Amino acid sequence: QKEVEQDPGPLSVPEGAIVSLNCTYSNSAFQYFMWYRQYSRKGPELLMYTYSSGNKEDGRFTAQVDKSSKYISLFIRDSQPSDSATYLCAMSESKSTFGDGTTLTVKP
Amino acid sequence: ETGVTQSPTHLIKTRGQQVTLRCSSQSGHNTVSWYQQALGQGPQFIFQYYREEENGRGNFPPRFSGLQFPNYSSELNVNALELDDSALYLCASSLDLMNTEAFFGQGTRLTVV
Repeated sequence: QKEVEQDPGPLSVPEGAIVSLNCTYSNSAFQYFMWYRQYSRKGPELLMYTYSSGNKEDGRFTAQVDKSSKYISLFIRDSQPSDSATYLCAMSESKSTFGDGTTLTVKP
Repeated sequence: ETGVTQSPTHLIKTRGQQVTLRCSSQSGHNTVSWYQQALGQGPQFIFQYYREEENGRGNFPPRFSGLQFPNYSSELNVNALELDDSALYLCASSLDLMNTEAFFGQGTRLTVV
């Protein structure tokens, strides 16, 4: 079993929809939780990182961490076609462990 | 665009050959990590360098080795290439060992034939 499991998708939503992306993990030692966006043929781009349980908001993006359930989520409000990409969750204790990504398509 | 650059962008090698991939870190970042990303999967941690010393290694064989230079640029070397080594190789630089704010390069696409 992988340390980090990510909802595989793919996910297709209409423009303006709220998107929920989710990961679960098994390693209690993870301290930092990150979300990356990766466009085709590009390296991952950091969207947000958080340390504690709770919510962290940045514009249209909200990251949620529930350490007791070992569950993290990324919510995207008012999704745009430019949000179409693969979203990767990652968790770190000393090295980063990534999920396999969820591919999102936002249709105009 | 991040300040992390990787070269070359694409590479084709024959099984059994050796390859060196290069990474120039974001200015001021003293930590660099290398990842292997197979198609349809997330990046897999290979190793991390901090101030020219290896500081952690993932589940990769010794034929994967690296270097970090005084200017914090870095190399990934792979010996005795196998077909399964075909992947996107990513380097990421950061200010801290936890890689909380890591900046990735665009990657090197390696194809082993």
